[in-house]
Amino acid sequence: GEDVEQSLFLSVREGDSSVINCTYTDSSSTYLYWYKQEPGAGLQLLTYIFSNMDMKQDQRLTVLLNKKDKHLSLRIADTQTGDSAIYFCAERASGTYKYIFGTGTRLKVLA
Amino acid sequence: GAVVSQHPSRVICKSGTSVKIECRSLDFQATTMFWYRQFPKQSLMLMATSNEGSKATYEQGVEKDKFLINHASLTLSTLTVTSAHPEDSSFYICSASQGATEAFFGQGTRLTVV
Repeated sequence: GEDVEQSLFLSVREGDSSVINCTYTDSSSTYLYWYKQEPGAGLQLLTYIFSNMDMKQDQRLTVLLNKKDKHLSLRIADTQTGDSAIYFCAERASGTYKYIFGTGTRLKVLA
Repeated sequence: GAVVSQHPSRVICKSGTSVKIECRSLDFQATTMFWYRQFPKQSLMLMATSNEGSKATYEQGVEKDKFLINHASLTLSTLTVTSAHPEDSSFYICSASQGATEAFFGQGTRLTVV
C-alpha cells in the first residue's frame, strides 16, 4: 500500500542548513510536495517537484528527488527561527486528487 | 495562489450536539474538495472526497453517518460532525482542487467537544 515516512524531529542552530528527509513507496507518484504547518494553522505549500525532475531550487529551499530509492529531501538554507514548524511531505499520483501525507517532521531552530 | 477559507477556526461544543464546518474556495471553482482529520502530533488522515453535486466518497473506517459532507456548490463544502463526543475532538482541515491540479488547503478548524 501507499506509505510515506519521515523522521519525527530535527533540531538545528539558526543560520545552519536543515535537511528534512522523506521516503515513499508508491512508484506511480507523479507529484511530490512539501508543506509547512505552524502551530494551530493549516498547511502552507512550500514547493513541489514532478517525478521526472531530480532537483528544484526556490530561494532558500532545495528539493532533491531520488526516484530509484523513492527518497525526497527538503533542504532549507540559512535556517531561521521562523522556520520552526512541522514539515510534511506528500505524494500524489497523476490523474488522482488523493494526497498521501507523511508523518511530519518537527523542525526546531535554536537561536 | 488560490485561497481556501475554513470557518470557524475554533469551536467548542457540548457532547451530543452537532457542529458544522464550512470550507470555501474564494477565488476559484472547486470541483473536488477533501476533508482531513489531524490528531495531535500526527499526520493528516483523509476522511472523504466530495465532488460537487454528488455524494461524498468516504475512506475506510470513517463513519458516513457521523461525518456528513455536503458539496452543494462549486465553492462550498460543509462537514457536519453529528452527535459529537469528546473523541471527535480534533483538527479538521479541508482542501479544494480545481480539476487535475494541486489542492489548496484551508487553515483548519480545531474542534473541542466537552
